[in-house]
Amino acid sequence: GDSVTQMEGPVTLSEEAFLTINCTYTATGYPSLFWYVQYPGEGLQLLLKATKADDKGSNKGFEATYRKETTSFHLEKGSVQVSDSAVYFCALSKGGSNYKLTFGKGTLLTVNP
Amino acid sequence: DTGVSQNPRHKITKRGQNVTFRCDPISEHNRLYWYRQTLGQGPEFLTYFQNEAQLEKSRLLSDRFSAERPKGSFSTLEIQRTEQGDSAMYLCASSPEAYEQYFGPGTRLTVT
Repeated sequence: GDSVTQMEGPVTLSEEAFLTINCTYTATGYPSLFWYVQYPGEGLQLLLKATKADDKGSNKGFEATYRKETTSFHLEKGSVQVSDSAVYFCALSKGGSNYKLTFGKGTLLTVNP
Repeated sequence: DTGVSQNPRHKITKRGQNVTFRCDPISEHNRLYWYRQTLGQGPEFLTYFQNEAQLEKSRLLSDRFSAERPKGSFSTLEIQRTEQGDSAMYLCASSPEAYEQYFGPGTRLTVT
């Protein structure tokens, strides 16, 4: 079945450091790819998405590019802030499966001042 | 514009008891999903409604679980004869179209 693999956490960075969280997927067909973020005590929020190969999703300084050749959707941010501390989830969905989301295990990011 | 709401936010119950959770989606969203999230894991799909029709159920949804969405509005998820393994965060999401799912804050269930 479909699956998503994220880099193991936790990730601890200093403010203004560069962030990369790796995500690879296994799926038949042409999934859409997502990054969700869960801030402490809050629900999941959609951070960005890409619906076809070579699409780049971006939001709040975060970016991720849908790479079909490497089945990857790595999350990047050039300069993290303390407020970016959260758990980040990579996910995929497909139309043939009612667009339900398949999530990775999540990566905890802590940004220190 | 109110988001997805879930009630209760926390539920502690004894093993063997029945529990029911409620999800109120964003109005006019015809798609509604339930997921379960255990500690250190990503959410796992449980079931999907399009309007009032339950169109898909995961193998995770044993016979003790039942979900409804009467009139295509709010949804309920009931767990009968709870077990300790049912302890988790139960998440509801609604969607107006194919890709965007909006999540509620979740109901945390603890079975003692």
